[in-house]
Amino acid sequence: EVEVVQSGAEVKKPGESLRISCKGSGDSFTSYWISWVRQMPGKGLEWMGRIDPSDSYTNYSPSFQGHVTISADKSINTAYLQWSSLKASDTAIYYCARTYYDILTVAAMDVWGQGTTVTVSS
Amino acid sequence: QSVLTQPPSASGTPGQRVNISCSGSSSNIGKTYVYWYQQLPGTAPKNLIYRNNLRPSGVPDRFSASKSGTSASLAISGLRSEDEADYYCAAWDDSLSDYVFGSGTKVTVL
Repeated sequence: EVEVVQSGAEVKKPGESLRISCKGSGDSFTSYWISWVRQMPGKGLEWMGRIDPSDSYTNYSPSFQGHVTISADKSINTAYLQWSSLKASDTAIYYCARTYYDILTVAAMDVWGQGTTVTVSS
Repeated sequence: QSVLTQPPSASGTPGQRVNISCSGSSSNIGKTYVYWYQQLPGTAPKNLIYRNNLRPSGVPDRFSASKSGTSASLAISGLRSEDEADYYCAAWDDSLSDYVFGSGTKVTVL
């Protein structure tokens, strides 16, 4: 059975850097994309971007381009989401999800991680 | 403000049918497939519908969906208490080069 497991909750101060992870198991990690989705407190879902772990090609939502970096290490079936300088407004739950694609665009996200809660506060 | 518009809430009594609408444009729903996600309280989202009206394995046939032009809808028939959740539509937007989610609809079982 395919599973995606994310790293644990983080509490950081504004200006600090952070990298959270998403490890896939049970199926070929490089056969699908991995997307990252943000959910701010009490709010809806926002797609941040995706990576193809087979070649690390990335696509970002225009809303998140330049604010975060998505990467992957296919040798350990892991994708990452990182910030170089966190803001209080980055406080949210971040989900990774196995992503199918249609004609090279994002389609369904069918296997989701449990979410990583990131809290940024001074 | 979301590119895809959903009503903020919907409700029904057990056994009833609830419909959730999702309104988009020619650059998203009018051009590509629509997906629906269910998010139970305190849990990660789950894919409920893919490619407009197809159910992944394990999703009950009480859930159905359709698309017409630049709008889509999700129907829950035989409403059950465990269907209380937030429901999101989603689609790729060609103009924005972005995967956009609807604003979400909270379904309450009365």
